[in-house]
Amino acid sequence: SQQGEEDPQALSIQEGENATMNCSYKTSINNLQWYRQNSGRGLVHLILIRSNEREKHSGRLRVTLDTSKKSSSLLITASRAADTASYFCATDRNDMRFGAGTRLTVKP
Amino acid sequence: SQTIHQWPATLVQPVGSPLSLECTVEGTSNPNLYWYRQAAGRGLQLLFYSVGIGQISSEVPQNLSASRPQDRQFILSSKKLLLSDSGFYLCAWSISADYEQYFGPGTRLTVT
Repeated sequence: SQQGEEDPQALSIQEGENATMNCSYKTSINNLQWYRQNSGRGLVHLILIRSNEREKHSGRLRVTLDTSKKSSSLLITASRAADTASYFCATDRNDMRFGAGTRLTVKP
Repeated sequence: SQTIHQWPATLVQPVGSPLSLECTVEGTSNPNLYWYRQAAGRGLQLLFYSVGIGQISSEVPQNLSASRPQDRQFILSSKKLLLSDSGFYLCAWSISADYEQYFGPGTRLTVT
């Protein structure tokens, strides 16, 4: 089974708009992480939020975590064409599990 | 700084042939190491992880195996490839399960 499940599966927006992606998980966690993957490349770690945190910022990224709902969201503000990629969430544990990802397309 | 290497970048192998993919990490000691497979347009599937030399945990029963002969070396192998083994294989490392994972560039395997 997959621990992280992202939605939507695909998202297409115009440059300058905000993009919001959601992630749900099933069991208790110590932290949740968001990753980005450009087509055909390895994953790049974006941000980690711990279970005792509710919100975290990193540049144009804002991540929220609601442990009562077992969900997280990733907001990218003022999107750019270079943000086009797939975004994955994953929870901690050695058997870290990733969802299928959200494929974000930012049109110039 | 830490770096992770994977090779080869691409590989085309016939069905029934053996496989050996290598991953090495530099700049850290006793990392957790991971092998993932990603089918086209899909998420990542964890195949194996290792918390130390000779310690391998398998997540998915299949015709693949993994070994960790040295602290910073992780090898993915198969004796006989299947068509369904095609995919994008990613190696990753982390300090521990509580920390983020850092991924290699991946190996695209096509089994024909």
